[in-house]
Formats: sequence, C-alpha cells, structure tokens
Amino acid sequence: DIQMTQSPSSLSASVGDRVTFTCRASQSISSYLNWYQQKPGKAPKLLIYAASSLQSGVPSRFSGSGSGTDFTLTISSLQPEDFATYYCQQSYSTSFMYTFGQGTKLEIK
Amino acid sequence: EVQLVESGGGLVQPGGSLRLSCAASGFTFSSYEMNWVRQAPGKGLEWVSYISSSVSNIHYAESVKGRFTISRDNAKNSLYLQMNSLRAEDTAVYYCARGKGSGTYGVFDYWGQGTLVTVSS
Repeated sequence: DIQMTQSPSSLSASVGDRVTFTCRASQSISSYLNWYQQKPGKAPKLLIYAASSLQSGVPSRFSGSGSGTDFTLTISSLQPEDFATYYCQQSYSTSFMYTFGQGTKLEIK
Repeated sequence: EVQLVESGGGLVQPGGSLRLSCAASGFTFSSYEMNWVRQAPGKGLEWVSYISSSVSNIHYAESVKGRFTISRDNAKNSLYLQMNSLRAEDTAVYYCARGKGSGTYGVFDYWGQGTLVTVSS
C-alpha cells in the first residue's frame, strides 16, 4: 500500500502569514494527490485535486504543487477561517486503496 | 445544491451488524461513483469502500473486506453500507463521499455530515 506522510503534524501561524504544508508519498504517485480541509465536527472539504487544480469555489489563496513523491499546499495569506486540519490523499492506487496522510493541524499563534 | 445525508449509525455490540444509508439529492446520483470514508474519534481519515455508478465495480479497504458490503439504489438516490461482524476498531464517524467524476478517480468533492458508529459492549 502507498503510505502518505504529512509534516509537520501541527503548525502555529498568524492571520496574514504564508503557510506551507508538506506531504510525501512512499512511492511515486504522479500528480494523483488531493488536499482536504477539515474543521472540528465538520466533514472534510476538497481544496485541491490532481496536485494543483483548485476545486470550484475555493479561494485563490490556496494553491498546490508537486509531482512524484513530494507535494505542498500553500496558503498565501492566512484568514481566520483557515484554521483547521489539512489532509493530503493519494488517488493513484489502481486497486482503489486511496490513502490519506495523518493530517496537519493549523493553529492560531 | 448537492446534499448527502447519512443515517443508521448508533451503538452496537462487538460482533453485531448495522446498515448505514446515505440519501443523495441535488445531482444525478446514477452518474457518479460513491465512497464511504471513516474517521475514528480524534484520528485521521480512512477510505473504506468504493462503488461505481453502474455497480459494476466495487472495492474495499483490507480492514473491512469480507465484513462490509457497499451497495446503491439509483432509483432511490441512495447509497448503503452493510456492516457485519463489527469490531471495536470500527468505531468511527462514517461519511459518504461523492466521486468528482470526469476521469478523476478517488477525488471526493462532496461529503455528508457523517454518522457515528460506536462498537462497544
């Protein structure tokens, strides 16, 4: 199975900061990498798919990059509503064993 | 507006069974792949099962293979998850999630609010 590792596990930042999250796959997954945001008690929300495609309705301050095994999610200027947990997920597996990273919790500094 | 509403969760004893439902609205349900994803309390997300739009393709995570069965009724715009031989480690919030489609396998663009399954004696 493909393992996904996110770093760091938690991150403190301030409104207006530029923040970058990292996700690494245990093998090459081309660009089959998606990012989700989850707030406490809520369902996850799709932000980025195929490594760098912005989901409809998601603010342009979110961007994704990477291919192969290393990927990043960047928030260009943090807003108060962005404090949440962020998960990466690979959709490369031909056996449909889609795996998520363990998440990065973004907290207010 | 796309809506997915899960139901059927609750408290069940180890070894017991439960059937989850997900009612879909606001889109042509029969045209989309659907999935179940779960989240244990305080933990991360785990994909559980996939079903194609036509029911011709079904897959399960190893952790539930042989115990869970995914199904759908396109006439009723509904997705189901039959869970048998439940274990304590199956305790989680279960979400139904729509596949984005357009060739993007494994991308979940809409999620329900989740239903909590607790397996405990």
